[in-house]
Amino acid sequence: AQKITQTQPGMFVQEKEAVTLDCTYDTSDQSYGLFWYKQPSSGEMIFLIYQGSYDEQNATEGRYSLNFQKARKSANLVISASQLGDSAMYFCAMREDTNSGYALNFGKGTSLLVTP
Amino acid sequence: DTEVTQTPKHLVMGMTNKKSLKCEQHMGHRAMYWYKQKAKKPPELMFVYSYEKLSINESVPSRFSPECPNSSLLNLHLHALQPEDSALYLCASSPGTGIPYEQYFGPGTRLTVT
Repeated sequence: AQKITQTQPGMFVQEKEAVTLDCTYDTSDQSYGLFWYKQPSSGEMIFLIYQGSYDEQNATEGRYSLNFQKARKSANLVISASQLGDSAMYFCAMREDTNSGYALNFGKGTSLLVTP
Repeated sequence: DTEVTQTPKHLVMGMTNKKSLKCEQHMGHRAMYWYKQKAKKPPELMFVYSYEKLSINESVPSRFSPECPNSSLLNLHLHALQPEDSALYLCASSPGTGIPYEQYFGPGTRLTVT
């Protein structure tokens, strides 16, 4: 079964606008972590933001924030004030306690294109 | 220094060749990982090393052989590869293997098997 679902294969946003990338997850664990990574065309995976299942506040890192809705099992990434350099593939990922924290389960990704 | 380095950046090899990919980190991280990523797909975990010991082998064919000579270095030895092994190979490290530890990725090695 798919652990991480990203339903938007591709998204467009205009420069300086905000954009939300969707992510839903499936787990029966109480303890888990959710991550977002950015992958530009160069290939490197860049860590953006982390949300723990017990964290009561939504995580924020600069222009990135994570809209964590535990009951709905969603962990959407919000990018504010988009920049041209934000054009990249974005992956949502989860680590579960039952995997002893080893494996990151990645979603299929969302390709974001920021236009001038 | 929050960098994971990988060499080479690109590699083309024939099916009978033997080559190695190298990964290095100097962040004092105790866990290191190899991932394989095909075009337009998410990364797939291949191996996990924790405290220089192989912890996870995700049923990877024996033509891929990992090695962790020390806590900073991770190698992936390649032998008798198939064209379908062509992919981006990503190395990552993390302070530990627990849930909250983000993984820091290197830039990857783009491998083409001819």
